Amino acid sequence: QQQVKQSPQSLIVQKGGISIINCAYENTAFDYFPWYQQFPGKGPALLIAIRPDVSEKKEGRFTISFNKSAKQFSLHIMDSQPGDSATYFCAARILGNQFYFGTGTSLTVIP
Amino acid sequence: DARVTQTPRHKVTEMGQEVTMRCQPILGHNTVFWYRQTMMQGLELLAYFRNRAPLDDSGMPKDRFSAEMPDATLATLKIQPSEPRDSAVYFCASSRDNQPQHFGDGTRLSIL
Repeated sequence: QQQVKQSPQSLIVQKGGISIINCAYENTAFDYFPWYQQFPGKGPALLIAIRPDVSEKKEGRFTISFNKSAKQFSLHIMDSQPGDSATYFCAARILGNQFYFGTGTSLTVIP
Repeated sequence: DARVTQTPRHKVTEMGQEVTMRCQPILGHNTVFWYRQTMMQGLELLAYFRNRAPLDDSGMPKDRFSAEMPDATLATLKIQPSEPRDSAVYFCASSRDNQPQHFGDGTRLSIL
């Protein structure tokens, strides 16, 4: 059973546009929600993360929006650039336990 | 910049052969994870260790896979005998307790 559901599977955005990736979960024991970025031939790298007591976190062009009541969180990439083309994974952690990853979103930003 | 180091980066071998993948976690990290990544399944957790003790290996086919941490600086994942369906990218990640994981660049395994 997939603990974290991620959509869409793939996304194509024009340069300068906004990329939005969504994740949903059921387990209310999750206490930490990171996003990872993966380039071809590389391992996933931590991009940005949020805790459930915060509704939004912004770092540069990357923003996480968190809706605790809906059990959903999303990654927004503003002013998307070709260099942002990568696979993005959301994840969720149960304190004292492991991380659960979404299935990934392949983002392509076209010039 | 501290990194998780995985070797080999690529491995091609024939089915039935033993495969050993190695991981050097970041110094000071006490939790090590092994993941398998495929197009169909995404990132699957195979096993993880804390302070060298296995905490969860339920994601690992027990009949052919084994994971160990001989010491704090080395984690190994072995497949014996290997099968074509084991072809995937295997990632090692490490962390300090429940902090976010740092991933290595993976071992791309092809079983012919």
